[in-house]
Amino acid sequence: QVQLVQSGAEVKKPGASVKLSCKASGYTFSSYTIHWVRQAPGQSLEWMGFINAANDDTRYPQKFRGRVTISSDSSASTVFMELSSLRSEDTSLYYCTRVVYGNSWGPFDHWGQGSLVTVSS
Amino acid sequence: DVQMTQSPSSLSASVGDRVTITCQASQDISKYLNWYQQKPGEAPELLIYDASNLKTGVPSRFSGSGSGTHFIFTISSLQPEDIATYYCQQYDNLITFGQGTRLEIK
Repeated sequence: QVQLVQSGAEVKKPGASVKLSCKASGYTFSSYTIHWVRQAPGQSLEWMGFINAANDDTRYPQKFRGRVTISSDSSASTVFMELSSLRSEDTSLYYCTRVVYGNSWGPFDHWGQGSLVTVSS
Repeated sequence: DVQMTQSPSSLSASVGDRVTITCQASQDISKYLNWYQQKPGEAPELLIYDASNLKTGVPSRFSGSGSGTHFIFTISSLQPEDIATYYCQQYDNLITFGQGTRLEIK
């Protein structure tokens, strides 16, 4: 069955960077796009960008451009999300999620368990 | 950016009630609207995709309708296990989510 297993919780100081991982299994890694979505405590969901594993195409919203980098290692079926210049407002639960179709855009049918990032001095 | 305005933000209903949540897009997004259920401590789960399509395995009491800018999510007969927060999400122009609707049992 499809599984997305994320790396563990991180505690970072303001100004630092964090790199999270999302290991995929149960499907052909290169056939699907992985997105990252975050959720601050008690808040809604916020899209952070995607990587199309077929061609390594990436896309980020303007808000995170220059601060977020999504990459992949196809040999390990793993996607990474690095967020730099961390501030307290980045304290959130970060999810990786897969698009149901073989396109870059679409509904998200499988989600990782989430990786908690806490930014605190 | 496409803004998604979801209402109400919270809702209290009784078991067996019909529950309706609406989502308004700031511009035409055609049918590219999905609905997710998120229970406390869990990741979101896709229920409805492309406005009105029920994901396989999701109970038929859940349904969705609408197109363009106005969308409706309905639970025909509320069950205790439906207690959760529900989110709409558009993917016509990048991706944005609604603010969520917290559903409680009265």
